[in-house]
Amino acid sequence: AQSVSQHNHHVILSEAASLELGCNYSYGGTVNLFWYVQYPGQHLQLLLKYFSGDPLVKGIKGFEAEFIKSKFSFNLRKPSVQWSDTAEYFCAVTRGTGRRALTFGSGTRLQVQP
Amino acid sequence: GAVVSQHPSRVICKSGTSVKIECRSLDFQATTMFWYRQFPKQSLMLMATSNEGSKATYEQGVEKDKFLINHASLTLSTLTVTSAHPEDSSFYICSANSGGPVDTQYFGPGTRLTVL
Repeated sequence: AQSVSQHNHHVILSEAASLELGCNYSYGGTVNLFWYVQYPGQHLQLLLKYFSGDPLVKGIKGFEAEFIKSKFSFNLRKPSVQWSDTAEYFCAVTRGTGRRALTFGSGTRLQVQP
Repeated sequence: GAVVSQHPSRVICKSGTSVKIECRSLDFQATTMFWYRQFPKQSLMLMATSNEGSKATYEQGVEKDKFLINHASLTLSTLTVTSAHPEDSSFYICSANSGGPVDTQYFGPGTRLTVL
């Protein structure tokens, strides 16, 4: 079965520190990759997505992610975090094409200290 | 951008009653909507795929007679939790595809269900 793994469950950083959140998936075929963010009390918002092409994807709010096919990974990065980045981050995957449901990772809680 | 709404945002009900949750795509048509469930401090788990004009597809372990899904129009899907029990208390979230070439799902704000 397809699975998505996020190894960092809780990350605490100081403002201006660099961030990298890991995401690995198990499916070997064509995948579409997403990072969503859930700010406290708010709904899921799309940060960025990868379907094809350049494996380095830039999203909103200074986030980027790199798809490394050989490692089945799609890690999220930000060079300098802000207090406002405190949120839960979810990696998600769909297979193939078409309107398919997302398989989510377990999420990473990021806490940025001022 | 694509906006998905849910109503109600919170509901408290007595055990044994039924609760209906609405999911609407406000500025686009969605032939497919998805219903997820999120337990506290856990990830989202897919419950079912709602298809406009046809029966929903349920994930393994999700009782279709307990979680009734109706997708009567291109902008509305409803989830009815029938004969709710305390273990059904959870955060229910819907999503809809924006209509792009591949999946880009936009999520509703969720509905917090508490069954007493």
